[in-house]
Amino acid sequence: DQQVKQNSPSLSVQEGRISILNCDYTNSMFDYFLWYKKYPAEGPTFLISISSIKDKNEDGRFTVFLNKSAKHLSLHIVPSQPGDSAVYFCAASDGGGSNYKLTFGKGTLLTVNP
Amino acid sequence: DTGVSQNPRHKITKRGQNVTFRCDPISEHNRLYWYRQTLGQGPEFLTYFQNEAQLEKSRLLSDRFSAERPKGSFSTLEIQRTEQGDSAMYLCASSTLYYEQYFGPGTRLTVT
Repeated sequence: DQQVKQNSPSLSVQEGRISILNCDYTNSMFDYFLWYKKYPAEGPTFLISISSIKDKNEDGRFTVFLNKSAKHLSLHIVPSQPGDSAVYFCAASDGGGSNYKLTFGKGTLLTVNP
Repeated sequence: DTGVSQNPRHKITKRGQNVTFRCDPISEHNRLYWYRQTLGQGPEFLTYFQNEAQLEKSRLLSDRFSAERPKGSFSTLEIQRTEQGDSAMYLCASSTLYYEQYFGPGTRLTVT
């Protein structure tokens, strides 16, 4: 069963506009959530994270929102740039009880058009 | 650059052969993870080391897979008697006390 779901395989936005990537999870034990960006032929690169005790975390152009009651999180990129074009993975962890291992979604391919 | 490194980057092997991959984590990171990623999927957890101790193995890790981390430094992942279903990207990640894991570039395995 897929515990972390990214239901949009792809997203296309214009440069300068907002990109919103969504992620849903089913495991209520998850207490930390992360977003990774992946370019072809490279490993995932850590982007931003959020603890379950918060509902928002911001880092420059990137903001992650967490809605625990809905088991939903989203990544906002404002303004979007062509260099942001990549696959974005949502990941979750339930902490020390599971050795901090990450459970990933299938990813969303973001294309930012100039 | 002191990031996570993996070697080789690509490996093509024939079915039935053994292969070994190496991961060098960030030097001060005591936690090391192996993941496998297939086309259209996110990375899936394989195994976890804390220092030199292998503390968790996924059920995805069949008897043909073995991993080591001697002296708590680099790690190796060996696959014996490779099968076509083993074709995937094998990713290594390391971390310290926090949740964020830092990934290497991966080793792409193709079994023909």
